[in-house]
Amino acid sequence: DTGVSQDPRHKITKRGQNVTFRCDPISEHNRLYWYRQTLGQGPEFLTYFQNEAQLEKSRLLSDRFSAERPKGSFSTLEIQRTEQGDSAMYLCASSYDTGGSTDTQYFGPGTRLTVL
Amino acid sequence: GNSVTQMEGPVTLSEEAFLTINCTYTATGYPSLFWYVQYPGEGLQLLLKATKADDKGSNKGFEATYRKETTSFHLEKGSVQVSDSAVYFCALISGGFKTIFGAGTRLFVKA
Repeated sequence: DTGVSQDPRHKITKRGQNVTFRCDPISEHNRLYWYRQTLGQGPEFLTYFQNEAQLEKSRLLSDRFSAERPKGSFSTLEIQRTEQGDSAMYLCASSYDTGGSTDTQYFGPGTRLTVL
Repeated sequence: GNSVTQMEGPVTLSEEAFLTINCTYTATGYPSLFWYVQYPGEGLQLLLKATKADDKGSNKGFEATYRKETTSFHLEKGSVQVSDSAVYFCALISGGFKTIFGAGTRLFVKA
């Protein structure tokens, strides 16, 4: 078990550019989540996948954001036309479906995005 | 809507002091409650959890009891160490799969 991994760990981009982040969950986990954390705050939910299906999206996920999990394994989060307000830590988590909603979510180290 | 409120930090303690970090919640239904810890430069780690009223979660000397009557889940440790310095997040899941986090409480432990 190598844990949840995220790539890149840091990304600096100019306003208006597109960025894409990758998350590799723990191998047997079929649920995958994306969160965003700004400085001094707790993480905020963005979206959730069960296998390859995106089942829930937060209102925080504007039209510029898109997430995919094409084969039910790794996931990507793309932000188009980045804005300075997108600067944050983007966290990925995964869990194994035990049939309930209290499955423990395991978090990756995050990708820190800075938009100049 | 669902929310979590935890005491503001930073909390500064001397080694071997008693720790309490307060956490209260608002939720519909019967939430599951969690404490996560974030050490400097690392990702969030689950510290402990409780899934129903009166359950006590414990790990690494930390404890928290799910109190439905006071909607609280306070984190305690009898004797903190310098290595416990971190940010602690109280969180809940209720009626879905997304975790709702508090703002976090930074703990500094001095030798």
